[in-house]
This record gives sequence, structure tokens and C-alpha cells, in this order.
Amino acid sequence: AQSVTQLDSQVPVFEEAPVELRCNYSSSVSVYLFWYVQYPNQGLQLLLKYLSGSTLVESINGFEAEFNKSQTSFHLRKPSVHISDTAEYFCAVSGVNYGGSQGNLIFGKGTKLSVKP
Amino acid sequence: GAGVSQSPRYKVAKRGQDVALRCDPISGHVSLFWYQQALGQGPEFLTYFQNEAQLDKSGLPSDRFFAERPEGSVSTLKIQRTQQEDSAVYLCASSLVPPGLRGTQYFGPGTRLLVL
Repeated sequence: AQSVTQLDSQVPVFEEAPVELRCNYSSSVSVYLFWYVQYPNQGLQLLLKYLSGSTLVESINGFEAEFNKSQTSFHLRKPSVHISDTAEYFCAVSGVNYGGSQGNLIFGKGTKLSVKP
Repeated sequence: GAGVSQSPRYKVAKRGQDVALRCDPISGHVSLFWYQQALGQGPEFLTYFQNEAQLDKSGLPSDRFFAERPEGSVSTLKIQRTQQEDSAVYLCASSLVPPGLRGTQYFGPGTRLLVL
């Protein structure tokens, strides 16, 4: 079984400041890792994912996350945030060796990023 | 193309009433998932279909919850004799390929259910 911990429920930050949203996971098997974003009154959208290969993955809007197997972490970072990044961010994992019939996502509780002018 | 759609977007039910929530996945997507998101929580897995076959229903909280996907496209989540603790946002997600092939899950906007 897998679990995901997002330690920060809310992160306030000023515009153009850097931000890091923390995500730690536990799993007895290898995992795929995801960050989803939920803008106000909208559905979940995939921001970025790690499946294999390079441990550093990037999104098209400047976010990046690094898979750290030894620390079981997948923290999300952005060097300079915008007002439009205000949203709730969910970290999720999916077990690789799940027997072929599952692959459901296990989500953290979410981190609300609030970018202030 | 069109994304995943869900209807209704909002549903208010009296305790004890039966409700049916509909999900229209992206055309051609093989996999379909249902999740429940309680207030202030992340989504939690309910059930999974591969085409019309329900391969995993381990997340359904009670036998009052029932899901179907009879023709391998549209899916319905039915909740019988609703209780207040069923109040949540119900999310549907679809994926082009089965999970073993690393399919990305695309989420619908959700149905917000409030049981009074």
C-alpha cells in the first residue's frame, strides 16, 4: 500500500518569490509520482509526472519536481510565482507493481498556494 | 477534443434518497476511475473499470455504493439511501490505456453532493 503526506496545508507567498510545496510518500513497491493542480471552481489538472528516467521533471508553466528515492520525496518548486498560480496542489502516487488491475492514484490532502501581490 | 464531463455538477439530496451520478469519459478511453473527495481532503479511490469490466471496487465505502459502465463508455455511480457522511465531491477520471501502460488520468469537474 502507498500513502502520501503533504505537510503544509497552506502556503502563502508574495508574487515573484520562490516556493516549494513538500510531498513525501511511503510505499513497499516502486511508484509513479504526480502533481495535480486544482484552480478555483475547476477540476484537477495534471501538472507534471515522474514515471522513469530523469528524476527532475518540469511543467510548461515553470514548475519542477525532483524524485528523491532515498528521501521518498517529490517536492514541487517554482523559482518565481505569479498571482495566477494561486490554486490547490495535490501530490499523488501510483504503485508500479499493483498486479495490473489497479493503478489508482493515492492523493495527499493538498496544499493551498496563495500568491499575494 | 472534449474532456471528461460529469453531471449533475451539483446535487442536493435528502437523507435516505437515492442518487445517480454520471460520467462521460474522453472518447476511446479504456480506463475509468471514480474518486470521492471530502471537504479539505484529497481525492480517495472508489472503483476502477477497464472497458465494461469493474476490476477493482475495493474503495467503495459500503454496499450502498454501486457503479456500472455497461457499454464501456459512460459510467454511473449510484448511492442508495444517502447519508450525511456521503456529502463530498465525486470525481471521475479516464485514461486512454490500462494503468499498466502508464496512462495519464484526466479528471472531470466533479459532482458536488450535499446530503441534508
